[in-house]
Amino acid sequence: QKEVEQNSGPLSVPEGAIASLNCTYSDRGSQSFFWYRQYSGKSPELIMFIYSNGDKEDGRFTAQLNKASQYVSLLIRDSQPSDSATYLCALIYNQGGKLIFGQGTELSVKP
Amino acid sequence: DTEVTQTPKHLVMGMTNKKSLKCEQHMGHRAMYWYKQKAKKPPELMFVYSYEKLSINESVPSRFSPECPNSSLLNLHLHALQPEDSALYLCASSPGSYTGELFFGEGSRLTVL
Repeated sequence: QKEVEQNSGPLSVPEGAIASLNCTYSDRGSQSFFWYRQYSGKSPELIMFIYSNGDKEDGRFTAQLNKASQYVSLLIRDSQPSDSATYLCALIYNQGGKLIFGQGTELSVKP
Repeated sequence: DTEVTQTPKHLVMGMTNKKSLKCEQHMGHRAMYWYKQKAKKPPELMFVYSYEKLSINESVPSRFSPECPNSSLLNLHLHALQPEDSALYLCASSPGSYTGELFFGEGSRLTVL
């Protein structure tokens, strides 16, 4: 069974702190990894993707991928209340696969 | 503003009704998707169209019938739905097939009475 595991949270961090969101997956054939943000009552929005081992930075967001350990994480630096949302980890397999979502982690950033 | 437009935003229908959800994108994307999302759950894939042809059907009940009239339009025809089909229905598009870089519409909130 191909699975994507996320801690559902809620994860609560104070404003200005680093929020760390983690995701593990079961299939080593996974090739591409994505983080979507979904505000309450809104649709998902792609915020980061990562294909290679290591870190990828975009503004306050850093995606980290470790294929050997089968985990991907998202770090949000200087967290803001506007970052409060559900973050969905997703992956796609190499050969014509569909996008598989984790259950999502609810993040709450307290002023 | 989203570049994937879904109509209607809200729909209430009875179990004997026939209705349709519509989705339109003008980004030149070649793949379009229907997802279903229940509260506090991740989106569940229903259908994928690639170059206007149905490429993935996730064993969705026949009371849901997708249609892709052209590369910019995607419809979901609804007939004889059940109350458990009440959910947010999301349309998405992507530049090509088999990519996780999806652009979602705002969704159509469906309530089946």
